[in-house]
Amino acid sequence: QQQVKQSPQSLIVQKGGISIINCAYENTAFDYFPWYQQFPGKGPALLIAIRPDVSEKKEGRFTISFNKSAKQFSLHIMDSQPGDSATYFCAASYHAGNNRKLIWGLGTSLAVNP
Amino acid sequence: GAGVSQSPSNKVTEKGKDVELRCDPISGHTALYWYRQRLGQGLEFLIYFQGNSAPDKSGLPSDRFSAERTGESVSTLTIQRTQQEDSAVYLCASSQSLTYEQYFGPGTRLTVT
Repeated sequence: QQQVKQSPQSLIVQKGGISIINCAYENTAFDYFPWYQQFPGKGPALLIAIRPDVSEKKEGRFTISFNKSAKQFSLHIMDSQPGDSATYFCAASYHAGNNRKLIWGLGTSLAVNP
Repeated sequence: GAGVSQSPSNKVTEKGKDVELRCDPISGHTALYWYRQRLGQGLEFLIYFQGNSAPDKSGLPSDRFSAERTGESVSTLTIQRTQQEDSAVYLCASSQSLTYEQYFGPGTRLTVT
């Protein structure tokens, strides 16, 4: 299975709250799990990424939690701010011959209310 | 340095016309990707270039879609006989070979009337 399932589709959080976005996968060949952030009218940009041999990675207010046995990973945004309002995509990466492919989740539209 | 650029930023065309979309990747990036993003949807992979060759064209939705890359730099995505369902944002990304980080351009918004 090449799919990456992402939830929720949309999320509304109050300023200062915690935003949590979840993703699940099936293919154990995936060896890298990035999260991308996309603002309206812009292309996605890499936010944070994790390898499956690590259970957690934190960069500022953004944390990825990874559960290898459950094949799930999640993005936590602490102290959410209105400027975090964007669409977030999880992805899973694997080697395919002479290429590294990314399989994308369908995205989560996050709105942080002031 | 300069990021990925795409042109035009917006394109409105009549059904049945051909369109060309251009991507200028980051200098030195050997890998180049085209994606399609319909309104409110995720990213749909179209084609991947390594250098000037395209080892993975599996995402091209029909033979109306084609792409080329020259000089291991600029790429053009051509859509022939456009249909209304082709309306979407077309995103280009580039990366150093075999890395997970792709750098995206701002996209071309295509509207077929």
